Amino acid sequence: GNSVTQMEGPVTLSEEAFLTINCTYTATGYPSLFWYVQYPGEGLQLLLKATKADDKGSNKGFEATYRKETTSFHLEKGSVQVSDSAVYFCALGNFNKFYFGSGTKLNVKP
Amino acid sequence: DTAVSQTPKYLVTQMGNDKSIKCEQNLGHDTMYWYKQDSKKFLKIMFSYNNKELIINETVPNRFSPKSPDKAHLNLHINSLELGDSAVYFCASSQGGLGSNQPQHFGDGTRLSIL
Repeated sequence: GNSVTQMEGPVTLSEEAFLTINCTYTATGYPSLFWYVQYPGEGLQLLLKATKADDKGSNKGFEATYRKETTSFHLEKGSVQVSDSAVYFCALGNFNKFYFGSGTKLNVKP
Repeated sequence: DTAVSQTPKYLVTQMGNDKSIKCEQNLGHDTMYWYKQDSKKFLKIMFSYNNKELIINETVPNRFSPKSPDKAHLNLHINSLELGDSAVYFCASSQGGLGSNQPQHFGDGTRLSIL
C-alpha cells in the first residue's frame, strides 16, 4: 500500500540553524512526492515537489531529494528564519490519491 | 484572485444541526477533494471528485454528502452534526485525472465548531 511517515514534532531551532525533517514512504508504482507548508490559520501550500527518483525539489531555500533506494524525501534548509515557523507535511501522490504524513511543527526562535 | 475558495471560514453551530460548506476553484482543475484536519493537525482525505464524478470515498459517515454541480465546485453537506465533527475542513483541487500526480491547491479551510 501507500503511506507516508514523517518525524514527530515539534522541532525547535534557533534562527540560522540547519533544518532536517525526515520523511519516508511506502508506495506501489511510481509516485510523486511533495512537501507542503501550513502557516497558522491558513491552508496548505505546496512548498516543493519531485516526480521521479533522484529529482531534487527546491523552493525558498528548502530542498528535498527523491531517494528511491532509501524510500525517503527528507526536507532540508541551510539557515532557517523565524518566518519559517509552520507545520510541514510530507505527501505522496499516486493515481491522483494523496497520502499525507502527520505533519511536523517547526518553531524557530530569534 | 483566490484559486480555491471555501465558505464559510468559520462555522459554529449546535449538535444535531445540518450545515453546508461550499468550495469553488478557478484554476480549471479536473479533480477536487475534501479533507478533514483534526486538532493534532492530522489530515485525512474524505472525498475526491473528478469531472463531477465521485472517485474516492473514504470511510466517512453517510451524514457527510458531497455534491459537485460542475467541475469547479464541490460542496459538502453534513447532516445531524456531532461533537466529533469539530475540525478544520479543507477543500483542494488538482489538474488531471488518475495517474497525473499533480500537486494539490488548498483553500484556507473552514473551522467547524460544534457546541
